[in-house]
Amino acid sequence: AQTVTQSQPEMSVQEAETVTLSCTYDTSESDYYLFWYKQPPSRQMILVIRQEAYKQQNATENRFSVNFQKAAKSFSLKISDSQLGDAAMYFCAYRKGTYKYIFGTGTRLKVLA
Amino acid sequence: DARVTQTPRHKVTEMGQEVTMRCQPILGHNTVFWYRQTMMQGLELLAYFRNRAPLDDSGMPKDRFSAEMPDATLATLKIQPSEPRDSAVYFCASGLISLNTEAFFGQGTRLTVV
Repeated sequence: AQTVTQSQPEMSVQEAETVTLSCTYDTSESDYYLFWYKQPPSRQMILVIRQEAYKQQNATENRFSVNFQKAAKSFSLKISDSQLGDAAMYFCAYRKGTYKYIFGTGTRLKVLA
Repeated sequence: DARVTQTPRHKVTEMGQEVTMRCQPILGHNTVFWYRQTMMQGLELLAYFRNRAPLDDSGMPKDRFSAEMPDATLATLKIQPSEPRDSAVYFCASGLISLNTEAFFGQGTRLTVV
């Protein structure tokens, strides 16, 4: 069965600095999708970034980028120039094809002014 | 601005009562998920619909939970009878998964069973 592991329950970063959130997953599949979702106190789950496993190039969305290491089954999220609004729970998620998402347990990110 | 709409946002009910949570998926989306979020278990998939047909509800306690899509604009999740252990945030998400896009989440229903 597929699993997603986020080993950092909580992280802190100084405003304007860079932080990396870790995620590892376990699967025997070769074609799948990986996502990072952000959940602020409002509870809304917001997509931050997605990565297709068949793509070697790491996805980037403005200040957010990933380091996708397929062989190591690692999918970390880097947030550059951290802002107060980045404070939230971050969930890593795996999806095989068109089927269900499997989420990690989340990392709470605190941004210090 | 297309969004998934869930009602109610908050619900407090007494143990044993029936609870119905509603979700309006984004127009045109063919896939609907129901997830439950708790501190202990994180985000768990309860049910999954494609073109209104249930594809997977293995994560749902069958004796008290039921999920339906009476039409393409409405998905419902019912709990009868409710128990204190059902207290959680319930999320609905929809997507056009055939294009391998992401799912869009509603704001969730926070359920408290006392």
